Amino acid sequence: EAQVTQNPRYLITVTGKKLTVTCSQNMNHEYMSWYRQDPGLGLRQIYYSMNVEVTDKGDVPEGYKVSRKEKRNFPLILESPSPNQTSLYFCASRMDGQGGGYTFGSGTRLTVV
Amino acid sequence: AQTVTQSQPEMSVQEAETVTLSCTYDTSENNYYLFWYKQPPSRQMILVIRQEAYKQQNATENRFSVNFQKAAKSFSLKISDSQLGDTAMYFCAFMIRNFGNEKLTFGTGTRLTIIP
Repeated sequence: EAQVTQNPRYLITVTGKKLTVTCSQNMNHEYMSWYRQDPGLGLRQIYYSMNVEVTDKGDVPEGYKVSRKEKRNFPLILESPSPNQTSLYFCASRMDGQGGGYTFGSGTRLTVV
Repeated sequence: AQTVTQSQPEMSVQEAETVTLSCTYDTSENNYYLFWYKQPPSRQMILVIRQEAYKQQNATENRFSVNFQKAAKSFSLKISDSQLGDTAMYFCAFMIRNFGNEKLTFGTGTRLTIIP
């Protein structure tokens, strides 16, 4: 089944403890992206990647890192999480030529205490 | 910078009725994409419909259709014969059609409830 897989689905952590949210897609998509969703703000883009080793900042990149060492994987790294990073996170991917129609993962609910 | 505005935070409609969700956007670009995404209570984000700005014909997908008014920068979603499964948050989104640009800008969403 074609899909974007995020793990974990739920995560509670403490301030300052490094964490990684994994994202993997099995559709050979070139483009991948991370978003965070907060009430009243919609979804905001954190980082995106156009292919292996090609990444760029979105609208809210502060406090996050990404890497794209393999085409299928695009992990989101929080080096020192803070409570304002408590949010619902989505990974998404699309194929080149699909005109921006992204396939989304199921989301990761992160709580930083 | 591009902005997307959804002015209806919440809407409700009786089952089998037709409902229209509004979306306006602001851009100086001429070539772009517009999307409607659905987020049911399961929180999965699902692409409902896509419109390419250079196409004058409005996109349709079964019971879902859009009214794309490029000059007015308006992109509304019409849901016909609404069903209980249509209950969800609906997000309008915008992307410039330009190689190297992957910025997908979302509106704040409209929570739609279908009443049995």
